[in-house]
Amino acid sequence: EVQLVESGGGLVRAGGSLRLSCTASGFTFSSYSMHWVRQAPGKGLEWVSYINSRSSNIYYADSVKGRFTISRDNAENSLYLQINSLRADDTAVYYCARAPQEMATRVDYWGQGTLVTVSS
Amino acid sequence: DIQMTQSPSSLSASVGDRVTITCRASQGISTWLAWYQQKPEKAPKSLIYKASSLQSGVPSRFSGTGSGTDFTLTISSLQPEDFATYYCQQYNSFPLTFGGGTKVEIK
Repeated sequence: EVQLVESGGGLVRAGGSLRLSCTASGFTFSSYSMHWVRQAPGKGLEWVSYINSRSSNIYYADSVKGRFTISRDNAENSLYLQINSLRADDTAVYYCARAPQEMATRVDYWGQGTLVTVSS
Repeated sequence: DIQMTQSPSSLSASVGDRVTITCRASQGISTWLAWYQQKPEKAPKSLIYKASSLQSGVPSRFSGTGSGTDFTLTISSLQPEDFATYYCQQYNSFPLTFGGGTKVEIK
């Protein structure tokens, strides 16, 4: 069974930093591309970032470019999102999501999410 | 960026009703469109990919059609567990973009 478990969320002051983690199990993590998607309270889904299996292709949404860094450790079956210079509008549930092997731009499995709250 | 517009933003329906949700892309995306279901306080769940292919385990009452810029998600006979918010998403190109969501409520 595919499982994605996020951690690292919490309450942080504007301008601060946080590192989110996602631990994967139930599949060969090193063979799959991964995404981060976020959802502000009461709002819709917003794609944040993508990383391929070898970390050779990385993309970011314009809203986070230069402040967020996606990375992964295939030996640890883990995906990360380093978020710096946090702003109030970064407050959201952050989901780790897997892309199917045949289409890296799609999502087939989602984690349960971790909440990041930015206080001013 | 490709903008995705869903309609309606919400609807009320009864168990057994046929429900249709539409999604329009601001430019052609072939059939690179997915639909997701999200229940309150839960993570999204993948329903349909490539506009009309059902994700494994998804009931056959869900179906998707469309190509280019216009797409639909249909629930043929609404069940109590289907009351949720539905999102479309284009995966033709980065940045990936989602529609604003359609909340399906009980009438």
